[in-house]
Amino acid sequence: EVQLVESGGGLVQPGGSLKLSCAASGFTFSGSAMHWVRQASGKGLEWVGRIRGKANNYATAYAASVRGRFTISRDDSKNTAYLQMNSLKTEDTAVYYCARVVPTAIGWFDPWGQGTLVTVSS
Amino acid sequence: QSALTQPASVSGSPGQSIAISCTGTSSDVGGYNYVSWYQQHPGKAPKLMIYDVSNRPSGVSNRFSGSKSGNTASLTISGLQAEDEADYYCSSYTSSSTVVFGGGTKLTVL
Repeated sequence: EVQLVESGGGLVQPGGSLKLSCAASGFTFSGSAMHWVRQASGKGLEWVGRIRGKANNYATAYAASVRGRFTISRDDSKNTAYLQMNSLKTEDTAVYYCARVVPTAIGWFDPWGQGTLVTVSS
Repeated sequence: QSALTQPASVSGSPGQSIAISCTGTSSDVGGYNYVSWYQQHPGKAPKLMIYDVSNRPSGVSNRFSGSKSGNTASLTISGLQAEDEADYYCSSYTSSSTVVFGGGTKLTVL
């Protein structure tokens, strides 16, 4: 079964840092691009960023709202992707999902993880 | 990158058909056949329903279909069922090699 499991969410003060993990199983992780998408309570989905696989030199891209503060990385030996979040703001409070894009696909996500809640508050 | 435009809500009775529109620009929806649609029930993760404008993943009912004309994509659900009540989001690949989502549409089955 193809599965993604996020972890690492929690409560952090404004200006603080947090690192989320996304553990993958059931597919060839190294070939897939991994994306992060967030959703504030009662709001819509917002694309955060992505990291491509080794064949595409682990290229990353970010939404303007997080560029320079967030960093996506991956460890193919552990089948895990990461989202390092620095200089957190209250508006970063959201459920964070990781999602897979298979090598033959462009821009569609399947599956998604269950999400992990990040709360930025003093 | 501005969000794609979707209606905030749509509704229909069981058995009816509804359509949800998703309007972007020539830099996203209009420029690529990489529009996808997701269904999200409360408290759950999104689920892929349509990819590459009109393709259905295995296991998704053929009551769901997608199309595109110019800068506007559409999701049509025929034979509405109670379990279709959910939020629906479109997304598109963009000219910046990023992804943009629509604001979401709440579907109510009357």
